[in-house]
Amino acid sequence: AQKVTQAQTEISVVEKEDVTLDCVYETRDTTYYLFWYKQPPSGELVFLIRRNSFDEQNEISGRYSWNFQKSTSSFNFTITASQVVDSAVYFCALGELTRDDKIIFGKGTRLHILP
Amino acid sequence: DTGVSQDPRHKITKRGQNVTFRCDPISEHNRLYWYRQTLGQGPEFLTYFQNEAQLEKSRLLSDRFSAERPKGSFSTLEIQRTEQGDSAMYLCASSIYRDFNYGYTFGSGTRLTVV
Repeated sequence: AQKVTQAQTEISVVEKEDVTLDCVYETRDTTYYLFWYKQPPSGELVFLIRRNSFDEQNEISGRYSWNFQKSTSSFNFTITASQVVDSAVYFCALGELTRDDKIIFGKGTRLHILP
Repeated sequence: DTGVSQDPRHKITKRGQNVTFRCDPISEHNRLYWYRQTLGQGPEFLTYFQNEAQLEKSRLLSDRFSAERPKGSFSTLEIQRTEQGDSAMYLCASSIYRDFNYGYTFGSGTRLTVV
């Protein structure tokens, strides 16, 4: 079955705190892609990162970092020193080659950064 | 090219009316996708095209929905005899087939309200 689970519906943290958004996925494919998207109040989905199933190296981009662990089928996203502008809904997504690259999304985690 | 454009941004219609949305993808992208997003949910796949060919329609897409991409460029999504349950954000995305470097590029969406 193809599935993306974001168990955290909503998270609130105070500015400058670190926060981790969890993502667990299910797939039978050996080749797949994982994504994180940000959806600010304006509504547009903004691409943040892609990881393919052969690359388990963690990645850091400024205050953002991603931890991909195939053993636990997880692809978690951490924001360090959060800022109010990070407030948004964040979606984890999965794409599989056997499903012709269609991407499916989790239900999202709404993140509130409090000043 | 400035990205994926969707028109209109907002549409309010009376139940039973027909509505049509337009999506202009990034010009060199051969794949075009339609998703629907309801409040508090992640985007759900509706249909997609490779060039002008419609490759798949989700079971979410009832007979009242039709999508076209006549020349492999822009696409339209029409909903006939709208119902209140059709109220949602309709998102369009485009990509280059098998190029997952940036996932999909999404437009800002069309928010439909059926009253």
